[in-house]
Amino acid sequence: EAQVTQNPRYLITVTGKKLTVTCSQNMNHEYMSWYRQDPGLGLRQIYYSMNVEVTDKGDVPEGYKVSRKEKRNFPLILESPSPNQTSLYFCASTGGGSPLHFGNGTRLTVT
Amino acid sequence: QKEVEQNSGPLSVPEGAIASLNCTYSDRGSQSFFWYRQYSGKSPELIMFIYSNGDKEDGRFTAQLNKASQYVSLLIRDSQPSDSATYLCASMPAGTYKYIFGTGTRLKVLA
Repeated sequence: EAQVTQNPRYLITVTGKKLTVTCSQNMNHEYMSWYRQDPGLGLRQIYYSMNVEVTDKGDVPEGYKVSRKEKRNFPLILESPSPNQTSLYFCASTGGGSPLHFGNGTRLTVT
Repeated sequence: QKEVEQNSGPLSVPEGAIASLNCTYSDRGSQSFFWYRQYSGKSPELIMFIYSNGDKEDGRFTAQLNKASQYVSLLIRDSQPSDSATYLCASMPAGTYKYIFGTGTRLKVLA
């Protein structure tokens, strides 16, 4: 089954404790992206990647890092999380003319 | 700044009626347009995409695109309570995978 898999689905952490949210797709898509979604603000792009070792900032990159060492994986790293990063996060991928496919989301709470 | 605008709603329609959701976009270079449905706390799922001026029908859903007016709409016929969700409009400029999302319109179908 074609899918984008994010883990974990829920995460509660404390300020400053480094965390990684994993994202993996099995559709051989070139493009992968991370979004955060907050009430009233819609989906905002954090980082995206056009292919392996090619990443770029989206609209709200501050406080986040990403890497793309393999085509299928695109982890999101928060090196020192803060409460304003409490949000619902989505990973998505696309390629070959297909629409954007979303993962199931990660609800992050930073206390 | 390139934008996609939607009325946040809620748009309330009685069961069985036609729901009309609208979206405008600012980037004339946008070539592809997408409608996603999102239930609360869930990931967006693709409903329709449209590339050409005019109408595109798929079951109870019709997408309409007017590039001259920079306007995209989604009609849902015979609305059901299960259609109650937030509908996200997105555009994608030619030659990129840079989706631009609106903030969504919340639809409520009243039984």
